[in-house]
Amino acid sequence: GAGVSQSPSNKVTEKGKDVELRCDPISGHTALYWYRQSLGQGLEFLIYFQGNSAPDKSGLPSDRFSAERTGGSVSTLTIQRTQQEDSAVYLCASSLSGSRTGELFFGEGSRLTVL
Amino acid sequence: RKEVEQDPGPFNVPEGATVAFNCTYSNSASQSFFWYRQDCRKEPKLLMSVYSSGNEDGRFTAQLNRASQYISLLIRDSKLSDSATYLCVVISGAGSYQLTFGKGTKLSVIP
Repeated sequence: GAGVSQSPSNKVTEKGKDVELRCDPISGHTALYWYRQSLGQGLEFLIYFQGNSAPDKSGLPSDRFSAERTGGSVSTLTIQRTQQEDSAVYLCASSLSGSRTGELFFGEGSRLTVL
Repeated sequence: RKEVEQDPGPFNVPEGATVAFNCTYSNSASQSFFWYRQDCRKEPKLLMSVYSSGNEDGRFTAQLNRASQYISLLIRDSKLSDSATYLCVVISGAGSYQLTFGKGTKLSVIP
């Protein structure tokens, strides 16, 4: 489809393992966001990519979290040495630009469970 | 004080009722405001923007009060399909791209 695609949709891992989450944004969208949503919580901003500019990493909760965006398109969020508190739904969103219009198009998310 | 605060609800209302949600924001320099809708176990989707003069989209009316720093969403003639969580969203901060989401208000419309 033409929407934001995320994989895997579900991931169960053991504490201490590394995980990679992938996001394929809508074609032509230059802005890409990662958010995290824990049970009963709001969306927590993680990182923002805009074109070739340096990403805004101010929301990453620790140095175990990193993200990259290759070729201005697909993005990968990596969590090293996962902890139980990392369990959440990780949502990727894209928009045409920095989204002053406020419209982000979200993927269905990657649900991460750390045992 | 959290940046964006909402009453979590749940709001349980009968079909046909009118329901209103409020949201307050802490940053007086906030520039843009929106309501998103999130269905259970689904991704959030933009419902409507909120303009200073107030705006309406069918049964939905959004209003902004900059002086009091709150935003409201009014839903008239509630439908079963309106059952969802409604997220208040604010753009503020140094860049114009950071959307800050409230935790959401859950609405259940009952037959």
